[in-house]
Amino acid sequence: GAGVSQTPSNKVTEKGKYVELRCDPISGHTALYWYRQSLGQGPEFLIYFQGTGAADDSGLPNDRFFAVRPEGSVSTLKIQRTERGDSAVYLCASSFSSLSTDTQYFGPGTRLTVL
Amino acid sequence: AQSVAQPEDQVNVAEGNPLTVKCTYSVSGNPYLFWYVQYPNRGLQFLLKYITGDNLVKGSYGFEAEFNKSQTSFHLKKPSALVSDSALYFCAVRGRGNNRLAFGKGNQVVVIP
Repeated sequence: GAGVSQTPSNKVTEKGKYVELRCDPISGHTALYWYRQSLGQGPEFLIYFQGTGAADDSGLPNDRFFAVRPEGSVSTLKIQRTERGDSAVYLCASSFSSLSTDTQYFGPGTRLTVL
Repeated sequence: AQSVAQPEDQVNVAEGNPLTVKCTYSVSGNPYLFWYVQYPNRGLQFLLKYITGDNLVKGSYGFEAEFNKSQTSFHLKKPSALVSDSALYFCAVRGRGNNRLAFGKGNQVVVIP
């Protein structure tokens, strides 16, 4: 079946602009995660959704970052007033449930470049 | 807190030789451990996981990993490496009741023909 999809694959923006990154999880998966991967580093947790609600947003770096999942499927990560330090690959993952034993399956990522 | 250490930046191995990628972890309580592989310009692909039971876990593409509780390690192994195994490998840990994965910095594996 289809895996996790993310759009766009690449996004170039200017400092100060607003961007939206979209994630479409595997059908039937109730849990959705966002991670950020900087060059040469492993992914770092940003936020986790169980259904429509953000169950843990403690990884969001500041209040410029916000994410929604209004219908419990597709999620959008929103970044306001982008800064050059926001440049990274943003990864989305989904799992069947929120159990700690469940495997998280990752999308191909969105590479964000802030000029 | 939960964390993973992958001490080597790059692992070079000749094709056909055994491959080992090292991982140690720190977590409160019982760990749930995962290995992922990342090819250039692609997302992370799941290889295998340890939840409970047999310490030797077998996964995709001939990979296996051994959980060692006393050494807090979860090393990834493959008996005979292929050139196509050249990629970036990430170890991750998740504590019970914790929803986030904590990743190591990754190991670049280079299999030399």
